[in-house]
Amino acid sequence: AQSVTQLDSHVSVSEGTPVLLRCNYSSSYSPSLFWYVQHPNKGLQLLLKYTSAATLVKGINGFEAEFRKSETSFHLTKPSAHMSDAAEYFCVVSEMITGFQKLVFGTGTRLLVSP
Amino acid sequence: GAGVSQSPSNKVTEKGKDVELRCDPISGHTALYWYRQRLGQGLEFLIYFQGNSAPDKSGLPSDRFSAERTGESVSTLTIQRTQQEDSAVYLCASSLEGSRNEQFFGPGTRLTVL
Repeated sequence: AQSVTQLDSHVSVSEGTPVLLRCNYSSSYSPSLFWYVQHPNKGLQLLLKYTSAATLVKGINGFEAEFRKSETSFHLTKPSAHMSDAAEYFCVVSEMITGFQKLVFGTGTRLLVSP
Repeated sequence: GAGVSQSPSNKVTEKGKDVELRCDPISGHTALYWYRQRLGQGLEFLIYFQGNSAPDKSGLPSDRFSAERTGESVSTLTIQRTQQEDSAVYLCASSLEGSRNEQFFGPGTRLTVL
């Protein structure tokens, strides 16, 4: 079975500094990986996804993630944090079940951005 | 509508009561998913509907949980004889047909069982 581990439950950064949210995955085959963001009182939004094309994936709002097979990692980064980036971030791996893509979520990392 | 909608947004109930949660998917989306998000945890898959095919119920935690969907429209998730451990946010998502299409999530229903 596929799984993901988000190594930090909380990450605090100052506005304008880099963001790094860590994720390691476990998969028996080449996985599809995603990052979702959840703002308070809003639905989950897809930030970016990796599906075995380029290993460096660019997403919305300046976020990107790099698929590193040797390290089984898919860390999310952003060069410069903005106050509006404060939210919960979920690393997700997909498990292909007959007929559909089952998403397996990590436990989430809460990003706090201070002025 | 423009996105997936869910109702109610909040539901408080007493232990032992039945509750029904509703999901309206994006028009044209044939696939519909239910997830549960307990406090401080990631989402757990509950059930998947695709068109008129038999649903995949492999994630339902007990026989107190059931879900229905009529065709490619609204879905309801029913929890019978609610327990305190059922307290969570229940999220619905929909997608176009096809296993690799993006799932779009609703805002969720926060269920509190007293």
